[in-house]
Amino acid sequence: EVQLLESGGGLVQPGGSLRLSCAASGFTFRTSAINWVRQAPGKGLEWVSTINERGDWASYADSVKGRFTVSRDNSKNILFLQMNSLRTVDTALYFCTEHWQVANWGRGTLVTVSS
Amino acid sequence: DVVMTQSPLSLPVTLGQPASISCRSSQSLVYSDGKTYLNWFQQRPGQSPRRLIYMVSNRDSGVPDRFSGSGSGTEFTLKISRVEAEDVGVYYCMQVTHWPRTFGQGTKVEIK
Repeated sequence: EVQLLESGGGLVQPGGSLRLSCAASGFTFRTSAINWVRQAPGKGLEWVSTINERGDWASYADSVKGRFTVSRDNSKNILFLQMNSLRTVDTALYFCTEHWQVANWGRGTLVTVSS
Repeated sequence: DVVMTQSPLSLPVTLGQPASISCRSSQSLVYSDGKTYLNWFQQRPGQSPRRLIYMVSNRDSGVPDRFSGSGSGTEFTLKISRVEAEDVGVYYCMQVTHWPRTFGQGTKVEIK
């Protein structure tokens, strides 16, 4: 069974940084692209980023480009999202999702950006 | 960016009756390989999204056959043949043909 477990969320002040993690199991992590998708409270879904299988290519939404960096450690089956210069509009539940076609989802980790 | 437009945004339905959600894209979703990468997701209250349909019409494992997807090019439809109580939630279409990936606004399905 595919499992994705996000962690690292919390309360941070505007301008601060946070690093999210996504621990994967139940599938061959090193052969799967992984995505981050977020959902602001009471709002819809927004794609944030995708990283390829090897971790040498990534794509970002314009809203986070230059502030967020995605990376992965295929030896440990874990994905990271480094978030810098956080803004109040980044407040959301952050999900990691597996596969180029966004198949399986984790439960999410909540990031709150507030002073 | 490809804009995904869903309608209706709210869909009250009677148990046992059919339901249909439309999703239109601002550009064709046909990729260079000839395939169309349009997915449908269900998000029940308090839960993570779950993929129901991929590549327009392929049901994911465990998805009841009352759910079906159809369409081509820029117009797509998710149909529920007979709505059950467990189908309550928000449904999203998402294109994974173009970058950046984009979602529709979501359609809230509720029981009348």
